[in-house]
Amino acid sequence: SQTIHQWPATLVQPVGSPLSLECTVEGTSNPNLYWYRQAAGRGLQLLFYSVGIGQISSEVPQNLSASRPQDRQFILSSKKLLLSDSGFYLCAWGGQHNSPLHFGNGTRLTVT
Amino acid sequence: DQQVKQNSPSLSVQEGRISILNCDYTNSMFDYFLWYKKYPAEGPTFLISISSIKDKNEDGRFTVFLNKSAKHLSLHIVPSQPGDSAVYFCAARMNSGGYQKVTFGTGTKLQVIP
Repeated sequence: SQTIHQWPATLVQPVGSPLSLECTVEGTSNPNLYWYRQAAGRGLQLLFYSVGIGQISSEVPQNLSASRPQDRQFILSSKKLLLSDSGFYLCAWGGQHNSPLHFGNGTRLTVT
Repeated sequence: DQQVKQNSPSLSVQEGRISILNCDYTNSMFDYFLWYKKYPAEGPTFLISISSIKDKNEDGRFTVFLNKSAKHLSLHIVPSQPGDSAVYFCAARMNSGGYQKVTFGTGTKLQVIP
């Protein structure tokens, strides 16, 4: 069966520090991968998606970037965090044909 | 531009009664609709879905209704149980540049009172 792993679960970082969140998927090959963010009191906002290795599309301009170095690995990064980057970050896979998205347990990021 | 809207941020229902969660969308290109359930500090889990060619899909206590002309869908939970207390997200999907783009609403927090 397919599983998705995200880490870390929580993270507190100072403004201006770098960020690296990692997501890996097991049990499937060539998945579509996604990064979403849930800000306080808001819905899930799509940040990036990837349909293959090295292929990254951004939905909104921002302080973040994403990379997909391997088929089942998706990384969210920032060179310098802003206070507004605080939120709950979720990685997901799926979305092909009629399959729903499957989410990891998320990372709670607090930028201080 | 909020293409998927959940206008009720919260809902309280007595245990055993029906819970009705509503969702409206604006983009007629959406072809597939989903409901997700989310507990605090966890990722959303898929609950039920419906294709745009149908008007109803049922799975146990959960039923999703789709009214395409009104661009409205609803999730019915009957009977409601305390374990159903969570945030429910409505989502809509469409093809976008070769991949399936999923847009989420802002969520409705359901509280089922024992």
